[in-house]
Amino acid sequence: DAGVTQSPTHLIKTRGQQVTLRCSPISGHKSVSWYQQVLGQGPQFIFQYYEKEERGRGNFPDRFSARQFPNYSSELNVNALLLGDSALYLCASSLGDRYQETQYFGPGTRLLVL
Amino acid sequence: KQEVTQIPAALSVPEGENLVLNCSFTDSAIYNLQWFRQDPGKGLTSLLLIQSSQREQTSGRLNASLDKSSGRSTLYIAASQPGDSATYLCAVYSGGGADGLTFGKGTHLIIQP
Repeated sequence: DAGVTQSPTHLIKTRGQQVTLRCSPISGHKSVSWYQQVLGQGPQFIFQYYEKEERGRGNFPDRFSARQFPNYSSELNVNALLLGDSALYLCASSLGDRYQETQYFGPGTRLLVL
Repeated sequence: KQEVTQIPAALSVPEGENLVLNCSFTDSAIYNLQWFRQDPGKGLTSLLLIQSSQREQTSGRLNASLDKSSGRSTLYIAASQPGDSATYLCAVYSGGGADGLTFGKGTHLIIQP
């Protein structure tokens, strides 16, 4: 079975632009979470979606938004990009909406903001 | 606010040695703890998940223990191999959908051939 997939793998944007990152969960998984990992740090939680509804939101500004589609894939949008948004963006999927089960991560999208 | 600390930040050992990576967390009210491996520039691979009611989990040469009351977990790697070289991340779930997983900064492990 295919694992979690993310696109694109790499992205270069300039300050002020907007970006959309995409994630496809493992088949049968209904929960998708997004994390931001800055170089040298552990991942930071951004959002969790389950059955197309937002179930959790981390401490990120409103420039960050996400949605989940009927096929459980998800998009993360970031508006008005700042240099500090440069990071590896990770998507994780799991069967249910609880974190009592293994989270499976994708390879990530590396975003560079110039 | 939950905080996770991993010690050491970096470790370099010769091939074949047994080693221990440490993880501590400030709030003992966790649901579970998960260990991940991250290769350079890549995503995370789940290694072991320990529920709060469990004391340890084993997978091959890996053994993870959890002492929830003291806020500590250890990852034991037996007979280390060069292919074990990676960054190892510890993450806890404290409940509440607003939090997701809380990660440590990781231990960067190098196994010398």
